[in-house]
Amino acid sequence: GENVEQHPSTLSVQEGDSAVIKCTYSDSASNYFPWYKQELGKGPQLIIDIRSNVGEKKDQRIAVTLNKTAKHFSLHITETQPEDSAVYFCAATTQGGGNNRLAFGKGNQVVVIP
Amino acid sequence: GAGVSQSPRYKVAKRGQDVALRCDPISGHVSLFWYQQALGQGPEFLTYFQNEAQLDKSGLPSDRFFAERPEGSVSTLKIQRTQQEDSAVYLCASSLEWQVNSPLHFGNGTRLTVT
Repeated sequence: GENVEQHPSTLSVQEGDSAVIKCTYSDSASNYFPWYKQELGKGPQLIIDIRSNVGEKKDQRIAVTLNKTAKHFSLHITETQPEDSAVYFCAATTQGGGNNRLAFGKGNQVVVIP
Repeated sequence: GAGVSQSPRYKVAKRGQDVALRCDPISGHVSLFWYQQALGQGPEFLTYFQNEAQLDKSGLPSDRFFAERPEGSVSTLKIQRTQQEDSAVYLCASSLEWQVNSPLHFGNGTRLTVT
């Protein structure tokens, strides 16, 4: 099955700086890649996603880039704010064929220092 | 509008007890998923429903785990004869459509502690 890994496990950034989290996946057939943000005591919340036919997607301060050849995708957060502090999870899956399960990475703890 | 609701929020069970965890998905959502999240880890898939049909239960760790969604809305995850390794947060998620890339909306989970 799909195996997803995230690096680094913890990332500290100064407020206003950018944060980048990289995620690698193993199954070349994977074609959908969401990113989730999880705050303490809450469930994961979808913040952005990308499909394999697109190389980059942006939504305000958040962007995701996908490199299918290298099988990795990255989350970029610009102008970080204290409320961006959370655990971020990447996930991957193959759409169709009865496979409806997301494979999640272990998460990245992002700490924004005011 | 209302999101995915899970109850109870916390559950403490003695080893060997049975527990039942409830999930109320967003109204009208076709797909429902259960995930298990151990401390410091990402969510791990348990099972998937499309309406009332359980289409994938390959992630259930043992036959002590059972899930149902009899009317295609509310779902219950039951764990029989709980063991300490069952301690985790159990997350329920729903999506409007059956396609996997239809956005998943997660509840806040039930934290199960087995003593």
